[in-house]
Amino acid sequence: GQQLNQSPQSMFIQEGEDVSMNCTSSSIFNTWLWYKQDPGEGPVLLIALYKAGELTSNGRLTAQFGITRKDSFLNISASIPSDVGIYFCAGPRRDFQGAQKLVFGQGTRLTINP
Amino acid sequence: NAGVTQTPKFQVLKTGQSMTLQCAQDMNHNSMYWYRQDPGMGLRLIYYSASEGTTDKGEVPNGYNVSRLNKREFSLRLESAAPSQTSVYFCASSPIRDEQYFGPGTRLTVT
Repeated sequence: GQQLNQSPQSMFIQEGEDVSMNCTSSSIFNTWLWYKQDPGEGPVLLIALYKAGELTSNGRLTAQFGITRKDSFLNISASIPSDVGIYFCAGPRRDFQGAQKLVFGQGTRLTINP
Repeated sequence: NAGVTQTPKFQVLKTGQSMTLQCAQDMNHNSMYWYRQDPGMGLRLIYYSASEGTTDKGEVPNGYNVSRLNKREFSLRLESAAPSQTSVYFCASSPIRDEQYFGPGTRLTVT
């Protein structure tokens, strides 16, 4: 099925470094969502973006809704060990009945060396 | 609020056995979803329910059935389990806005 293009696929960084990842699409989204999944757990919603150009923060996390509405970015500042996990971007699509379904990126796996 | 809860957390089945995965949400959300997650495949939508009383097929519905029992509960049934259904299953719910909230998952192994 349709997927968002998320990059990088994996990152290996030192504790304390800043992290940047992005998600792009060939078509427009009206909402961008960023999730984090810890090993053995379900995805947890980190940030939701609803307006083109919007910049939203959640603690050390900052996400931006691209002006073209075809991309979004997630930054993590001063990484710590608990930031380890897989980060997914997602965008909603509505079917002919108005039901919302999410399109997901492939995920960015973040590994941190202490 | 407990959010989205799923039972059981782990299950092992033999090929041909049946079972029902349970999901409940206490957030008064209209829509509910079932996904499976396999290594390297990401999250794939099995079935969804846009509102109480409606269900629709997602990307990979074969071998599954669902029931939206009421607004809170959405169950996933495997009538005759196959090894290809070994996976981690996630339930999610969504309010009228676009976010989805996921449960902790059920790890299913079919031998």
